[in-house]
Amino acid sequence: AQSVTQLDSQVPVFEEAPVELRCNYSSSVSVYLFWYVQYPNQGLQLLLKYLSGSTLVKGINGFEAEFNKSQTSFHLRKPSVHISDTAEYFCAVSHSNFGNEKLTFGTGTRLTIIP
Amino acid sequence: DVKVTQSSRYLVKRTGEKVFLECVQDMDHENMFWYRQDPGLGLRLIYFSYDVKMKEKGDIPEGYSVSREKKERFSLILESASTNQTSMYLCASSYRTDGYTFGSGTRLTVV
Repeated sequence: AQSVTQLDSQVPVFEEAPVELRCNYSSSVSVYLFWYVQYPNQGLQLLLKYLSGSTLVKGINGFEAEFNKSQTSFHLRKPSVHISDTAEYFCAVSHSNFGNEKLTFGTGTRLTIIP
Repeated sequence: DVKVTQSSRYLVKRTGEKVFLECVQDMDHENMFWYRQDPGLGLRLIYFSYDVKMKEKGDIPEGYSVSREKKERFSLILESASTNQTSMYLCASSYRTDGYTFGSGTRLTVV
């Protein structure tokens, strides 16, 4: 079985400061990894995904994430945050089994940007 | 843009009522999913479907059933609503490894 751990439930960051949101996964097989963002009162929106190839993945809104197989991590980073980045962020994993893209989600990290 | 539409944003139902949550997607996706979202618990998978008339249980199927009679529509049914089913319900669809497209969610309150 696969699982995802997001260690930080809440992260406060000053505006224009860098941020890292941590995600660790456990799985006995090859995985695909995703980050989603949820703005208040909305559904989830895909930020970025890792399927294969380069371990550094760039997404929307200036976010990027690095896949580290040895540490089973997929941390999300942004060099300079903006007030509009205030949201909840979810890491998710699926088995790389063609035709089965069932995602397992972490419990989420609430990012609060302080002006 | 792929759209996933959930029929209601907010719903209030009484204990014991039968509740239908509807979800429609417009991009011919084969995979559809129902999750519930609760604070501190993240998203938990209730049911999913890989094709018309096919359904599989997720991690928390108890108290729920689903129906997929047409490819674009995936319905979640609460046979007899209870207060512990008060939650945000999220529908999603996907194609292969593109990732999910989510609807805006239905916030259900059972009183």
